[in-house]
Amino acid sequence: TQTVSQSDAHVTVFEGDSVELRCNYSYGGSIYLSWYIQHHGHGLQFLLKYYSGNPVVQGVNGFEAEFSKSDSSFHLRKASVHWSDSAVYFCAVSAASSGSWQLIFGSGTQLTVMP
Amino acid sequence: GGIITQTPKFLIGQEGQKLTLKCQQNFNHDTMYWYRQDSGKGLRLIYYSITENDLQKGDLSEGYDASREKKSSFSLTVTSAQKNEMAVFLCASSIDGLGAETLYFGSGTRLTVL
Repeated sequence: TQTVSQSDAHVTVFEGDSVELRCNYSYGGSIYLSWYIQHHGHGLQFLLKYYSGNPVVQGVNGFEAEFSKSDSSFHLRKASVHWSDSAVYFCAVSAASSGSWQLIFGSGTQLTVMP
Repeated sequence: GGIITQTPKFLIGQEGQKLTLKCQQNFNHDTMYWYRQDSGKGLRLIYYSITENDLQKGDLSEGYDASREKKSSFSLTVTSAQKNEMAVFLCASSIDGLGAETLYFGSGTRLTVL
């Protein structure tokens, strides 16, 4: 059974700061890893995903994430945050289970960017 | 681009009531999903459907029914509303269900049970 852990429920930074949102997973087989963002009152929007190749993947709005097999991690980073980046961020793992793929979401990290 | 429309945005029901949530997509996607989102928790899969008239149970299917009568629509029924079911229900779609595809989400239906 695959699991996704986002250890920080809340992260608060100031505008212009860098930020890293952490995601760790447990699964031994082939997986896809992705990040989604949810602004208050809206559905989730796709940010980026990784399956193979370069472990650093670029997403929209300056976000990037780095896959580490040794650490079982897929942390999301941004070099300089804007107030509009305030949202909940979900890490997700997609893995084959009983012949079909299922997407498992972490519990989310609320990012608050102070002016 | 496409859009996923969920109706209603807010649904208030009585305990024990049967309640239906609707979802429409114009992406022409094959696969549609219903997730439940509780405060402070991740999304949990209730049902998904890989094509018209197909239904697959997720981890949280007990207490729910679903229907996919057309490719563009996917409805979810709460068979008997319970007070602990106050949550946001999110509908999503994807091109297929083969793992690497991106999910597109609607803005949700917020359920409150009195």
